[in-house]
Amino acid sequence: KAGVTQTPRYLIKTRGQQVTLSCSPISGHRSVSWYQQTPGQGLQFLFEYFSETQRNKGNFPGRFSGRQFSNSRSEMNVSTLELGDSALYLCASSLAGNTGNTIYFGEGSWLTVV
Amino acid sequence: ELKVEQNPLFLSMQEGKNYTIYCNYSTTSDRLYWYRQDPGKSLESLFVLLSNGAVKQEGRLMASLDTKARLSTLHITAAVHDLSATYFCAVLLTGNQFYFGTGTSLTVIP
Repeated sequence: KAGVTQTPRYLIKTRGQQVTLSCSPISGHRSVSWYQQTPGQGLQFLFEYFSETQRNKGNFPGRFSGRQFSNSRSEMNVSTLELGDSALYLCASSLAGNTGNTIYFGEGSWLTVV
Repeated sequence: ELKVEQNPLFLSMQEGKNYTIYCNYSTTSDRLYWYRQDPGKSLESLFVLLSNGAVKQEGRLMASLDTKARLSTLHITAAVHDLSATYFCAVLLTGNQFYFGTGTSLTVIP
């Protein structure tokens, strides 16, 4: 079956612009979470959605936002981009949260801010 | 705030040798995951440990969990070059919110 699909895979944006990243979870998975990976800060949790509701949020500024649609697909948006937002953004999906299910990650979206 | 510490951060080992990666965490949890990441790639699930004393093995890798000591280990037996990658442990709290360790970059030298 298809895995977690993230688009776009690579993108370059200019400071001050905004960006929207998309994640399609594995079919049947209702929980989607987002992570930022940078060399300096490692892997950090952004937010999690379950059945279209944000269930948890990490310690990121309000410029980072997300949503989940009724088909479980999720988007995250970063407004007013800063150089420090350059990172690999990973989406993860599972059947439901906190039940010990395996959590699968997508290939990620590489964002470069110049 | 939950802290997850891995050591070592970098590990260079010869093929055929054994070694252990340690993952310590600072809060009570019985849900510990191990992932592998190859350069430029995403995270590949290795093990899901869900209870104290859990032990899982796959090939040359074995993971264990001691919730009382807040410690998980990833043991590598008779390392081969294909195991070269970065390994992350991650503690799962509420929902699907992971706290990841710093990662251990493993290089296996022929």
